[in-house]
Amino acid sequence: EAQVTQNPRYLITVTGKKLTVTCSQNMNHEYMSWYRQDPGLGLRQIYYSMNVEVTDKGDVPEGYKVSRKEKRNFPLILESPSPNQTSLYFCASSSGRGLGYEQYFGPGTRLTVT
Amino acid sequence: AQKITQTQPGMFVQEKEAVTLDCTYDTSDPSYGLFWYKQPSSGEMIFLIYQGSYDQQNATEGRYSLNFQKARKSANLVISASQLGDSAMYFCAMRESYAGGTSYGKLTFGQGTILTVHP
Repeated sequence: EAQVTQNPRYLITVTGKKLTVTCSQNMNHEYMSWYRQDPGLGLRQIYYSMNVEVTDKGDVPEGYKVSRKEKRNFPLILESPSPNQTSLYFCASSSGRGLGYEQYFGPGTRLTVT
Repeated sequence: AQKITQTQPGMFVQEKEAVTLDCTYDTSDPSYGLFWYKQPSSGEMIFLIYQGSYDQQNATEGRYSLNFQKARKSANLVISASQLGDSAMYFCAMRESYAGGTSYGKLTFGQGTILTVHP
């Protein structure tokens, strides 16, 4: 089944404790991205990747890191999480960057930083 | 300025009736695409419908149709014959062909509208 998977689905952590949210897709998609969803703000892009070893910042990259060492995986790293990073996170992938290419979303990771 | 604006934080509709969810957008790019996603309470994002800026016809997908008014920069979602399972958050999103040279391919989302379908 074609899908984007994320782990963990739920995470409660403390300020400053490094964490990684994994994202994997089995559709051989080149384009992957991370979004965060906050009430009243919709989804905002954090980072994106156009292919292996090619990543760039989105609209809200501060406090996050990413890597793309393999085509299928695009982990999101929070080196020193803070409470303002409490959010719902989505990984997404698409086969292209053109206008009509649908982005397939993972199930989401709900992160709470205390 | 907000690129995507959804002015209805919440909407209510009676089962089997039609409902329109509003979306206006702002872009100077002549080529762009508009998407609607549904997010049920379980949290996943479900793609509903897509409209390209050069598409001549309004997009339709089953009970979903997109009322695209290019001159007014609006892309309203129409759900016909509402069902209880349509209760969810709905997001309008836009992809520009040239997003200021950065993040090409990015989806820009509106704030969302919570739709509640009453029996």
